[in-house]
Amino acid sequence: SQQGEEDPQALSIQEGENATMNCSYKTSINNLQWYRQNSGRGLVHLILIRSNEREKHSGRLRVTLDTSKKSSSLLITASRAADTASYFCATDGGTDSWGKFQFGAGTQVVVTP
Amino acid sequence: DTAVSQTPKYLVTQMGNDKSIKCEQNLGHDTMYWYKQDSKKFLKIMFSYNNKELIINETVPNRFSPKSPDKAHLNLHINSLELGDSAVYFCASSQGRSSGNTIYFGEGSWLTVV
Repeated sequence: SQQGEEDPQALSIQEGENATMNCSYKTSINNLQWYRQNSGRGLVHLILIRSNEREKHSGRLRVTLDTSKKSSSLLITASRAADTASYFCATDGGTDSWGKFQFGAGTQVVVTP
Repeated sequence: DTAVSQTPKYLVTQMGNDKSIKCEQNLGHDTMYWYKQDSKKFLKIMFSYNNKELIINETVPNRFSPKSPDKAHLNLHINSLELGDSAVYFCASSQGRSSGNTIYFGEGSWLTVV
């Protein structure tokens, strides 16, 4: 089964609005990463959050991690049309799974001008 | 300069054929991966090599055989292609096996089996 599952599956917002998506996972993790995939392209790393961290920021991105709920959220503030993409969380499944990332099906975000 | 490059980008072939996808990374990384993304966008790891040694081999049919001639290259050979093999295959690399390292993906190879 998929380790990370993103929610919602799709999100449509207007430029300037914030976009929030969630990731839930089943087993313990060491690290959780978020990636973006533009249509027809490969995945690009956005941000890493470690299991002992609760929140990280990178530019307009804010990631939170709640290990008690086994969930993470990605917030994109002041969205732009260029943020239109699919967003994936990747989890490592714990100490036995070094280098073995599990991805979900992603959240497809559409930002309209 | 492309960090992780894979060829071909598009491949249409008939059932039963054998095909290969090549991948090269110029990042100096020691770990390379093959991922498969299905039509529902689920991305699943298939193989991982660290310094040419196979370290992850998921439940992939043995028709799929990765080959790493050196740590900068990881090719994927698929025998007796089936309709269900149609997907996007991504090559990726990272430095080390730690899940705290960033994975760099190629642009994908779109395989269609008809």
